[in-house]
Amino acid sequence: AQTVTQSQPEMSVQEAETVTLSCTYDTSENNYYLFWYKQPPSRQMILVIRQEAYKQQNATENRFSVNFQKAAKSFSLKISDSQLGDTAMYFCAFMTLNRDDKIIFGKGTRLHILP
Amino acid sequence: NAGVTQTPKFRVLKTGQSMTLLCAQDMNHEYMYWYRQDPGMGLRLIHYSVGEGTTAKGEVPDGYNVSRLKKQNFLLGLESAAPSQTSVYFCASSPPGGFAQHFGDGTRLSIL
Repeated sequence: AQTVTQSQPEMSVQEAETVTLSCTYDTSENNYYLFWYKQPPSRQMILVIRQEAYKQQNATENRFSVNFQKAAKSFSLKISDSQLGDTAMYFCAFMTLNRDDKIIFGKGTRLHILP
Repeated sequence: NAGVTQTPKFRVLKTGQSMTLLCAQDMNHEYMYWYRQDPGMGLRLIHYSVGEGTTAKGEVPDGYNVSRLKKQNFLLGLESAAPSQTSVYFCASSPPGGFAQHFGDGTRLSIL
């Protein structure tokens, strides 16, 4: 069975700093997708970034980038120039292709951006 | 842009009562999902549907039933609510093919 592990329950960084959130996963599949979702205090689930496992190039979205290490089964999220609005719960998620696109979520990392 | 709409947003029930949560999406997505979110547990899949008229069990299906009579709607039912079902419930939808799921704003349900 696939599992997703986020080893950092909570983190705090100063505004404008760079922060990296860790995520590891376990699977025997070769074709899959990985996601990072953000959940601010408003409770909305917002997609931050998506990575296709067959692509070696790391996905980026403005200040958000990932370090995808397929062999190590690692998928960390880097937030550059952090802003107060980045304060949120961040969930790492795994989807196996052709399994009804079901997503397995990690337990989350609560990130506080300090002024 | 409505996206995924969940009703109601909040509800308090007494143990043993029944209720239905409604999820509606206007993006013509084939796939729809119901999750529950509990503190420290992330999101866990309750039931899902890959098309109109089809449903399947997820990770934590006990105590819940679902129906997908129309493509745009996915209903989650609690037949006899229990305090253990106190949670925040999220609905999501997506097209097939590895695309990200779009989430509703959640329903906070308290069972007393």
